[in-house]
Amino acid sequence: GAVVSQHPSWVICKSGTSVKIECRSLDFQATTMFWYRQFPKQSLMLMATSNEGSKATYEQGVEKDKFLINHASLTLSTLTVTSAHPEDSSFYICSASRQGANTGELFFGEGSRLTVL
Amino acid sequence: AQSVAQPEDQVNVAEGNPLTVKCTYSVSGNPYLFWYVQYPNRGLQFLLKYITGDNLVKGSYGFEAEFNKSQTSFHLKKPSALVSDSALYFCAVRDRSSNTGKLIFGQGTTLQVKP
Repeated sequence: GAVVSQHPSWVICKSGTSVKIECRSLDFQATTMFWYRQFPKQSLMLMATSNEGSKATYEQGVEKDKFLINHASLTLSTLTVTSAHPEDSSFYICSASRQGANTGELFFGEGSRLTVL
Repeated sequence: AQSVAQPEDQVNVAEGNPLTVKCTYSVSGNPYLFWYVQYPNRGLQFLLKYITGDNLVKGSYGFEAEFNKSQTSFHLKKPSALVSDSALYFCAVRDRSSNTGKLIFGQGTTLQVKP
């Protein structure tokens, strides 16, 4: 199978601090990883597309200085929420596209629930 | 612009009855189509996909979906629903001409299966 591991699953932090979320593809190489944000009972909002070794492509309205994305290897992408505020509280989900799979589905991590106090 | 519509926020069905979760799409070219399921506080699990070939696609957990090009639909179906099928279901589309791998998701449909 294709497993994507996301860590941490839950994180609570104080307002003004930064939080890093990791997304790892465990048994395949991921050329591209995607970061989504999901509000309660709503669909997934694509935040950015992350390609290994290059800068992430952010969707319109997403602050790149607020949500720092790094894709340093073919198996790891990180999302750092900088100077977090309560409105950043959300469920963040990563997904990965298997290298070489042009038609393939995306494989999703289990999500990270961020609560900013 | 690409878009996916799931017209029903919630579908209620009795256990043992057939279920249908609707999805229609709009893309400029020919689409790749997907269905995912999400359980509370979990990520998305892949159910099935349509790439080419037979319009009826069979997937995980007994689910299937039928690609209808003329109606631009890709409804998810299951002949006999289980209580454990209760979850949030997402339809997604990707344009074949896209090299980004980006999926466009529908707004999601909550399936409630009652015993």
